[in-house]
Amino acid sequence: KAGVTQTPRYLIKTRGQQVTLSCSPISGHRSVSWYQQTPGQGLQFLFEYFSETQRNKGNFPGRFSGRQFSNSRSEMNVSTLELGDSALYLCASSLDGFQETQYFGPGTRLLVL
Amino acid sequence: GDSVTQMEGPVTLSEEAFLTINCTYTATGYPSLFWYVQYPGEGLQLLLKATKADDKGSNKGFEATYRKETTSFHLEKGSVQVSDSAVYFCALSDQFDSGGGADGLTFGKGTHLIIQP
Repeated sequence: KAGVTQTPRYLIKTRGQQVTLSCSPISGHRSVSWYQQTPGQGLQFLFEYFSETQRNKGNFPGRFSGRQFSNSRSEMNVSTLELGDSALYLCASSLDGFQETQYFGPGTRLLVL
Repeated sequence: GDSVTQMEGPVTLSEEAFLTINCTYTATGYPSLFWYVQYPGEGLQLLLKATKADDKGSNKGFEATYRKETTSFHLEKGSVQVSDSAVYFCALSDQFDSGGGADGLTFGKGTHLIIQP
């Protein structure tokens, strides 16, 4: 069974631009969550999507948004990039939610210059 | 809100040494507890988990016991190997947080473990 895949693996953007990251969950998984990992703040929860609906949301500004498609693939978008958005963005999938095992992808490393 | 506290390290041990990484938590409800491991350049992999008090999770020689009375979930391994060098994250999932819904996994800062041959 294929694992969680994320594209692209690396991105370099400049301040003010926007970026879209993609995540393909494990086949059959309906829950997709996104996390931001930085050296200072560690791993922080962004949001969770389940059956194309945002079910939970962390404490991030509205510049961070996401969506989920009918095949459970998910995208997250960050608009008006700031230097502080430089991070590793991790996607995780599970069958139904957080009480179950979360399977993480390798992440997308975003550098904002 | 929920939180997880763990030693950040780096923790440096010799091969075959005994390992303990402490993890304590605060949670509103009755959380499930997890240990994840992250190898360089990779995402997180679930190492073990426990869903109720006194449960012991185990995998690849690692063990951790859910202690509700001390709100702890310490990770142990009897004899570490060089291949165990990685960053270890303690995490919880609290279905009944103060907001009435789940807020994702709450992670500790991670413990960088270095095993020397």
